[in-house]
Amino acid sequence: EAQVTQNPRYLITVTGKKLTVTCSQNMNHEYMSWYRQDPGLGLRQIYYSMNVEATDKGDVPEGYKVSRKEKRNFPLILESPSPNQTSLYFCASSLDGRANEQFFGPGTRLTVL
Amino acid sequence: TQLLEQSPQFLSIQEGENLTVYCNSSSVFSSLQWYRQEPGEGPVLLVTVVTGGEVKKLKRLTFQFGDARKDSSLHITAAQPGDTGLYLCAGSDGGSGAGSYQLTFGKGTKLSVIP
Repeated sequence: EAQVTQNPRYLITVTGKKLTVTCSQNMNHEYMSWYRQDPGLGLRQIYYSMNVEATDKGDVPEGYKVSRKEKRNFPLILESPSPNQTSLYFCASSLDGRANEQFFGPGTRLTVL
Repeated sequence: TQLLEQSPQFLSIQEGENLTVYCNSSSVFSSLQWYRQEPGEGPVLLVTVVTGGEVKKLKRLTFQFGDARKDSSLHITAAQPGDTGLYLCAGSDGGSGAGSYQLTFGKGTKLSVIP
């Protein structure tokens, strides 16, 4: 089954404790992206990747890191999480990032205390 | 960053009524997508419109892309409870920003269809 998977689905952590949210897709897509979704603010892009070893900042990259060492994986790293990073995070992938359908993962709900 | 304004933000209607949701911007988009998101899940693509003036129909849903490619609308005929969800529009800059392909989302319209 074609899908985007994210882990963990739920995470409660404390300020400053490094964490990684994994994202994997099995569709051989070149383009992958991370979004955060907050009430009243909608979906905002954090980082995206056009292909392996090619990443770019989205609209809200501060406090986040990403890497794209393999085509299928695009982990989101929070080196020192803060409470304002409490949010619902979505990973997405698409064929090549143009006018193609973006396939979204199920989401990761992160709470930073 | 290009902005997309969606209206209304919330919409609660009775089953069988018609409705229209709007997505507007001052920027030109190379393409525009509509997604639907249900609670606890990620957004799922409904349609992509690419050409100015384009109209696409998906059963009871009609999507229109403005002639100038700055706005779009989603019209639902005879709404059903299964249409309940968050409707998001998303515009692509088509790589106009230094070769990037950013997708900008509107804040969404939360639709509730009451049986």
